[in-house]
Amino acid sequence: LAKTTQPISMDSYEGQEVNITCSHNNIATNDYITWYQQFPSQGPRFIIQGYKTKVTNEVASLFIPADRKSSTLSLPRVSLSDTAVYYCLVGESNAGKSTFGDGTTLTVKP
Amino acid sequence: KAGVTQTPRYLIKTRGQQVTLSCSPISGHRSVSWYQQTPGQGLQFLFEYFSETQRNKGNFPGRFSGRQFSNSRSEMNVSTLELGDSALYLCASKDRGSTDTQYFGPGTRLTVL
Repeated sequence: LAKTTQPISMDSYEGQEVNITCSHNNIATNDYITWYQQFPSQGPRFIIQGYKTKVTNEVASLFIPADRKSSTLSLPRVSLSDTAVYYCLVGESNAGKSTFGDGTTLTVKP
Repeated sequence: KAGVTQTPRYLIKTRGQQVTLSCSPISGHRSVSWYQQTPGQGLQFLFEYFSETQRNKGNFPGRFSGRQFSNSRSEMNVSTLELGDSALYLCASKDRGSTDTQYFGPGTRLTVL
């Protein structure tokens, strides 16, 4: 499995755009990049998944450069309810043995 | 579709006892994975079952075991509980496909006294 590296924590204010970058230098050709959000004492929730370039859904965008060695989760206009831990996961589909890193704790302030 | 359900949601046991946790995956999903989450160790993979067969296993002692039934429901068992087994146990199901996104249940909070 590709090892991922994310910032441990980030702070933001309501209404701002937040970008969280994940490094995955050893990503394999078949690996997808998936981001999850987790609130305290709840299971992680799928946010977005991509393979290359840009993916957008109703809650976030995912930017993946051509070399795919990193990815950036973009949350537009965050609110207090976006305060959570965000995990970047690479290669879960093939390995079937998912490894979550430490995640990024995002704190949104009023 | 209904999401992943886990029962019970909360459980208190004492050291030396055993516990069985249950997980019902999303209808149609045949893969079920189990994770342990603690403040110190984060989210750690326990094992994955697919069509009643254990497909992958994490680095946990043999006290942790699981099984999957023909309807894809899964159980995990922890025998001879230790204080360090106190954790949030999460179950995730996924459909077999090229991207295999996991969908997590709410978890079972196990406290070992």
